[in-house]
Amino acid sequence: GAVVSQHPSRVICKSGTSVKIECRSLDFQATTMFWYRQFPKQSLMLMATSNEGSKATYEQGVEKDKFLINHASLTLSTLTVTSAHPEDSSFYICSAWSQRGNTQYFGPGTRLTVL
Amino acid sequence: QQQVKQSPQSLIVQKGGISIINCAYENTAFDYFPWYQQFPGKGPALLIAIRPDVSEKKEGRFTISFNKSAKQFSLHIMDSQPGDSATYFCAASKAGSARQLTFGSGTQLTVLP
Repeated sequence: GAVVSQHPSRVICKSGTSVKIECRSLDFQATTMFWYRQFPKQSLMLMATSNEGSKATYEQGVEKDKFLINHASLTLSTLTVTSAHPEDSSFYICSAWSQRGNTQYFGPGTRLTVL
Repeated sequence: QQQVKQSPQSLIVQKGGISIINCAYENTAFDYFPWYQQFPGKGPALLIAIRPDVSEKKEGRFTISFNKSAKQFSLHIMDSQPGDSATYFCAASKAGSARQLTFGSGTQLTVLP
């Protein structure tokens, strides 16, 4: 199947700092990428839909000024958690929509820990 | 209407047994039903998917059964192995929604050796 990478795989930061997470589709172009958040033993919660060249669409309850999403190219979307706080600690997962495969392929996830 | 209900929450099966996970949906606009497998600390991986024009799809030991009239679909894992121990999520999406996935709550499967 198609490959989606995320970087970094885990990050620990101090409260108040910003953290950027990259999501790349390695062998296909993705006009649409998605960002999810997952708490332990829970399902994936969609945070936002990222479309190349346009503003992201955020789900209800997700602060767009706190979770900045940029989809600057057909293979790269970034999520920046601004002024991170301990409650932002979570597992963040991206996915990319493959038109050829007609499905979403998920990245390996990024574990964010805010101290 | 967007919800996908998944059961059971957890499942313990002996090696060689059959694991069955069920999902039900409300939105009749859904037309794509994938199952994902997730290991701890990893992203979900697409396992198998079905569209409502067929009632069953089989790939190796994994089978999806789909009942359009009941708005239910299930994953069957035949000859379950300890390596199948993971969390399984059903999902659904519809055309025209940028293929956003609506996920079930997940089933933690443990296959005993």
